[in-house]
Amino acid sequence: GAGVSQSPSNKVTEKGKDVELRCDPISGHTALYWYRQSLGQGLEFLIYFQGNSAPDKSGLPSDRFSAERTGGSVSTLTIQRTQQEDSAVYLCASSFPTGGYTFGSGTRLTVV
Amino acid sequence: GQSLEQPSEVTAVEGAIVQINCTYQTSGFYGLSWYQQHDGGAPTFLSYNALDGLEETGRFSSFLSRSDSYGYLLLQELQMKDSASYFCAVRNGGSQGNLIFGKGTKLSVKP
Repeated sequence: GAGVSQSPSNKVTEKGKDVELRCDPISGHTALYWYRQSLGQGLEFLIYFQGNSAPDKSGLPSDRFSAERTGGSVSTLTIQRTQQEDSAVYLCASSFPTGGYTFGSGTRLTVV
Repeated sequence: GQSLEQPSEVTAVEGAIVQINCTYQTSGFYGLSWYQQHDGGAPTFLSYNALDGLEETGRFSSFLSRSDSYGYLLLQELQMKDSASYFCAVRNGGSQGNLIFGKGTKLSVKP
């Protein structure tokens, strides 16, 4: 597509529920990245993919977080048993392997 | 590991020039990038320096000194719309690794 598309744009969920966040990268971009950003804070790295493989999962905060990418395109970030501290904006970006990032508009997750 | 330091806030007046500094520590260096983020918006790519010196793009310029592990973003002829957060970033673990971002500098442009 023309840009990086993320869905949903907003998600309110109850504590303990699972959520899935979707990222559709720019066509042809082989690299895909997930970050999260709490209000007024910096960008916290979560995970990235080169193609369908994830060379670095070190940023995932706990084993409740997982991500996959299929067909070298769409990626899903799953958070199981959500906690209030998971509330943040989840940002996805894509790029060519060494290029600048194009970010999506993010998913604002609120855990109540 | 990688770490970056940048000022948390900068204030300047419309029409002025402002410089946002960034110092970094990396185990390997693969360039310094800058991103802009308006409140409520997504970060957008501004510039990238792989070699020492100044790169100019319109009103914005970015400088790198690899020997000093230091760079800066220079914004000239400031406009109200330049009010945003600015992040410097370095690659982690190789030229194809993920970016590690600084905590960001919030620039406020006053009339």
